[in-house]
Amino acid sequence: DVKVTQSSRYLVKRTGEKVFLECVQDMDHENMFWYRQDPGLGLRLIYFSYDVKMKEKGDIPEGYSVSREKKERFSLILESASTNQTSMYLCASSLAGTGDEKLFFGSGTQLSVL
Amino acid sequence: RKEVEQDPGPFNVPEGATVAFNCTYSNSASQSFFWYRQDCRKEPKLLMSVYSSGNEDGRFTAQLNRASQYISLLIRDSKLSDSATYLCVVNAGTASKLTFGTGTRLQVTL
Repeated sequence: DVKVTQSSRYLVKRTGEKVFLECVQDMDHENMFWYRQDPGLGLRLIYFSYDVKMKEKGDIPEGYSVSREKKERFSLILESASTNQTSMYLCASSLAGTGDEKLFFGSGTQLSVL
Repeated sequence: RKEVEQDPGPFNVPEGATVAFNCTYSNSASQSFFWYRQDCRKEPKLLMSVYSSGNEDGRFTAQLNRASQYISLLIRDSKLSDSATYLCVVNAGTASKLTFGTGTRLQVTL
């Protein structure tokens, strides 16, 4: 089974802090994603990476950056955390292919910014 | 108009009932379709893909209507363990173009 591991299940940070969310997958997937999930808004794509050192902005990239130095690891960085970034953050991975990719998610990080 | 729309529910049904959810999408170029299941405070997990000819997996049947731009999920003989939120996901052609609905919550009761 594909395993996608997120480093923290719960995280509490202060406004202005730099926050790192780590994600590792063990199935050699090319694609990796960061989403945030908020009540009533569903999952929204923050950033996407289709290869090492490659990244593409999603629908809501403002206030975030990403890093993919190794194929198995995709990091989400909040440069200066703000209260409106309080959310559930979900990492996912998938095989590159035909457009019929199936996403495998990590268990999520609930981030609270105070 | 949202790209992918779902009735948020909740749908409260007794065990053994048949329940159906619809999901509409606005992008006529959408190419692939999925249903994901998300339990409370857990990550989404793929339930099934939705194929043009319709497909079935045990008690679950998924259908696609391209002309009317909706997909459906039918659950027969509902179990308590089916209680979850069901997310409709539409792919407009590339991995980065997946759009999630906000989900339909199902509660199956005794």
